[in-house]
Amino acid sequence: GAGVSQSPSNKVTEKGKDVELRCDPISGHTALYWYRQSLGQGLEFLIYFQGNSAPDKSGLPSDRFSAERTGGSVSTLTIQRTQQEDSAVYLCASTRDRANTEAFFGQGTRLTVV
Amino acid sequence: QKEVEQDPGPLSVPEGAIVSLNCTYSNSAFQYFMWYRQYSRKGPELLMYTYSSGNKEDGRFTAQVDKSSKYISLFIRDSQPSDSATYLCALAQKLVFGQGTRLTINP
Repeated sequence: GAGVSQSPSNKVTEKGKDVELRCDPISGHTALYWYRQSLGQGLEFLIYFQGNSAPDKSGLPSDRFSAERTGGSVSTLTIQRTQQEDSAVYLCASTRDRANTEAFFGQGTRLTVV
Repeated sequence: QKEVEQDPGPLSVPEGAIVSLNCTYSNSAFQYFMWYRQYSRKGPELLMYTYSSGNKEDGRFTAQVDKSSKYISLFIRDSQPSDSATYLCALAQKLVFGQGTRLTINP
């Protein structure tokens, strides 16, 4: 595709429910990042996939968060048993290679936990 | 200590002013230094990047890196209302972002 695509763009869920957020990176990009951005805050790193290497999960805030990337392309971020503090915009970015000098971002998924 | 520190602002200046945005970082292993711009309800977009100490100019924007002090800056000359956005510094190779500075240019 022309850019990084994220779905859904908005998600409202009840506390305790599980949610799945999807990211479709630019075709051919080997690296994919997930970030979380709370209101008025910067980008909090969550997880990083690079090619076939084991992902860097060091930013995941708890074991309720997990992500996978199938076939080196589409990625899904799953949040189990959502809490109100999980409310934020979840941004996905992809880069062409390991140098990561230019990351292309999706529009984000705005998650609201009520 | 955070890997990247950035004053979140907000910063409000009159149109035409020179704007200075700054970040400090702690890990000397970072090799690439970038500035992203984020408009409201949009994803960040790359504005400039550099990998060496010194200045890099692109139109009204100048990125400055001082590796010895672990300090990076973005200068905006002749600021315009359309420059109003959040500016985030970023360091690679593992992409780490500063908190972002919310900038408003007043007509």
